[in-house]
Amino acid sequence: SQKIEQNSEALNIQEGKTATLTCNYTNYSPAYLQWYRQDPGRGPVFLLLIRENEKEKRKERLKVTFDTTLKQSLFHITASQPADSATYLCALLMDSNYQLIWGAGTKLIIKP
Amino acid sequence: NAGVTQTPKFQVLKTGQSMTLQCAQDMNHNSMYWYRQDPGMGLRLIYYSASEGTTDKGEVPNGYNVSRLNKREFSLRLESAAPSQTSVYFCASSEQGALNTEAFFGQGTRLTVV
Repeated sequence: SQKIEQNSEALNIQEGKTATLTCNYTNYSPAYLQWYRQDPGRGPVFLLLIRENEKEKRKERLKVTFDTTLKQSLFHITASQPADSATYLCALLMDSNYQLIWGAGTKLIIKP
Repeated sequence: NAGVTQTPKFQVLKTGQSMTLQCAQDMNHNSMYWYRQDPGMGLRLIYYSASEGTTDKGEVPNGYNVSRLNKREFSLRLESAAPSQTSVYFCASSEQGALNTEAFFGQGTRLTVV
């Protein structure tokens, strides 16, 4: 079955630097991949979606890449700010059942 | 617009008790979902409703039932709560299944079964 791996250790980044988070998956490539942000005690909030035929997607300070050869997506936040501190989740949509499969998330801490 | 509203936000149950988690969305979405989130694990789908009048099992449906009451409302029922059902429950909705659309989440229900 499809598995998703996100770094379970918190990522500490200095304010102003670029934060890069990784989402790796096993088996076959998904139809698309989504990234969400989750703050403590809140539900996830959608950030970006990238399809299997797209290599890169940008939105303001956010950039997502999708490498189907490496079976990996990278999520970048440039010019990071303390307000970017949160847990970031990736989710894959599988063609077979049109359901999202979720990673456990990576906690990002931006230090002033 | 309120988006997705879940009630209650917190609940403590004794083993064997039953309860219903309520969820309503005001975005006219077709699809609705119930997930549970446990520490160190990704969100796991319990049940979903692709459209009004339909419901289907997700990855972890045992011990749960759902009702799609109408297009707006999707409830999750625990008939006989067990400690293993201690979790944070999220309801979500999306415009048209999961295809090419984002999911909108409620704030969650933190459930403890003692």
